[in-house]
This record gives sequence, C-alpha cells and structure tokens, in this order.
Amino acid sequence: ETGVTQTPRHLVMGMTNKKSLKCEQHLGHNAMYWYKQSAKKPLELMFVYNFKEQTENNSVPSRFSPECPNSSHLFLHLHTLQPEDSALYLCASSQVSAGVQETQYFGPGTRLLVL
Amino acid sequence: AQKITQTQPGMFVQEKEAVTLDCTYDTSDQSYGLFWYKQPSSGEMIFLIYQGSYDEQNATEGRYSLNFQKARKSANLVISASQLGDSAMYFCAMREVVFGNEKLTFGTGTRLTIIP
Repeated sequence: ETGVTQTPRHLVMGMTNKKSLKCEQHLGHNAMYWYKQSAKKPLELMFVYNFKEQTENNSVPSRFSPECPNSSHLFLHLHTLQPEDSALYLCASSQVSAGVQETQYFGPGTRLLVL
Repeated sequence: AQKITQTQPGMFVQEKEAVTLDCTYDTSDQSYGLFWYKQPSSGEMIFLIYQGSYDEQNATEGRYSLNFQKARKSANLVISASQLGDSAMYFCAMREVVFGNEKLTFGTGTRLTIIP
C-alpha cells in the first residue's frame, strides 16, 4: 500500500463504548497528525507527533487519547465520547527536516458517528 | 481574526471553463507557505499545489496554478479547462510558525461544482 491509510473508514459508537482509530503512513515521514473536521468548520488540529514524541495537544478533551508507537503508526483511542464528537477524523503525515515541516499528506479519514 | 479566508462557499462552473478560487491570508511572518487541497466526497484531502512566501514565480502543477499576490496577501487557485472530476471541496491552508512550532491552518473551503 502507498500513502496514508486509515481504518476503519466508518464507525458508529455509543457514548459508553471504547474504540480506536488507526492510521498508517507508507511515505517514510517522521511526523504524524490527527485532525477533526466538523460540518461547516475549518479543519482543527488535534495532535502532532514529531519523531514519535507528542509536540502539540490543542486543548483536546481527555476522552481522546493518542498513541504513536513508531513513526509509521498513529492511533486515536476514544472513550465516553459525546454526540458533538461526531465528525470526520483525518490523519496526515509529513517530513520534518531541520525544523521545517514539509507538505502534509492526508489519509481518507474515518467518519465517526456517536449516538 | 481569521488566518485564512475563503469568501466563496460555493461555485458552479461550466465544464471546460477556467475557474478561480479565492484565498486571502493574514500573517506577520516573513516566511510561510501556502497550500491548496482538494477534498472529494470520499473525504480524503488531496494535496494540489504549494507556494512558498519567497518563491518569485507562481506555482504550477498541470491544470492547477496559484496566483500569488504577496502584497495583497492573496493566493488564488486557478483550474484551467475544468473537468467533471474537479467537483469537490477546495481548501486553502497556510503554514506558519506559532510559538516555535509550525502549524497548518485551513480555511473554511469552497465547494466547486462542475456542470456538464
């Protein structure tokens, strides 16, 4: 496979469920990102991992928990979500060289519906 | 204040015509980058074109070109000879340094519909 892949593509979960979103990049990049895209709102950056270390957390509620075991894989663990968390969750990756972030490439996203 | 402004929520264009999607940005940095992404209904954000703030020439990639007017802080996307497959959401984004970290900030997007 090439590029950035995400699984599952669609997810429906109840507010008491626990689920995980998976992202894998095959581009040899060293940085990965989670974004949330809600209807009629700009893309919101949630988490950034550079060289497997979390470098940014944009005040995301603790019911979202990221995990980056290596530079190719990124997870988003979900628990006790709220209906307003329903959105498209996009993963992206890029190469960071000498502190400069190059073009981000995105996966197809996971459409999440919280009931 | 919005960092990236896309004033056209929706556009309808006849097939084979050229189309310009507007984007203005706000930054005090000297070094920044501007991107355009396409998002079809499938959801994936597809990178189209990039313009660096120090690039003297407008970026071009096939049928896509970026009309970069630095003094006006605008970075409009021009699609020549539009095709039905160009129907999608288009997002303008800016990369800038915020508190020592590089961030990519997106606009609200323009929904482009190509009419046969």
